[in-house]
Amino acid sequence: AQSVAQPEDQVNVAEGNPLTVKCTYSVSGNPYLFWYVQYPNRGLQFLLKYITGDNLVKGSYGFEAEFNKSQTSFHLKKPSALVSDSALYFCAVRDDSSASKIIFGSGTRLSIRP
Amino acid sequence: DAGITQSPRHKVTETGTPVTLRCHQTENHRYMYWYRQDPGHGLRLIHYSYGVKDTDKGEVSDGYSVSRSKTEDFLLTLESATSSQTSVYFCATAGLAGGFSYNEQFFGPGTRLTVL
Repeated sequence: AQSVAQPEDQVNVAEGNPLTVKCTYSVSGNPYLFWYVQYPNRGLQFLLKYITGDNLVKGSYGFEAEFNKSQTSFHLKKPSALVSDSALYFCAVRDDSSASKIIFGSGTRLSIRP
Repeated sequence: DAGITQSPRHKVTETGTPVTLRCHQTENHRYMYWYRQDPGHGLRLIHYSYGVKDTDKGEVSDGYSVSRSKTEDFLLTLESATSSQTSVYFCATAGLAGGFSYNEQFFGPGTRLTVL
């Protein structure tokens, strides 16, 4: 069965430094992967997705994600963190049993210190 | 939030009472979803709809029912609320374009439900 794992509950980064939020996945077919962000007291917002093509996917707010098939990973990255990037980040994968559903990871809280 | 509203935004109720949450969208999206968010569990799918009057269960559907009588509205009902259903509930929608599996979901602002 497909699944997605976010191994870090929390990531702390200094403002201006690069950030990485990790995600690994397990699927039986082709992976369709997503990243979402949730700011306090808000719903999730879509950041980016990988369907096929280039392994480096660019998304909103300067974020990008690197798809690595051999390592079954889809890490979220940003070259220079902002305090305003502090939020909860979710990785997600399409559900193979029903293409209209996606499965979310447990989330990683990103904290950017000034 | 892509034209998705949820009502009420906050509700406190007592164990055993019925509760209905409403999701309304103006995007004409085919797919609609109800999730619950709990600490340590991320988002878990309760029920979803793939068209008017077409619904299916998610991974945590026990104790919940849904209805979709028109494209824009998706209702979630807790027939007899329990304390374990205290949570934040999110509605989401997704459109149909090409392969629907490619489409990202858009989320509403959430409803915070407390069952005493």
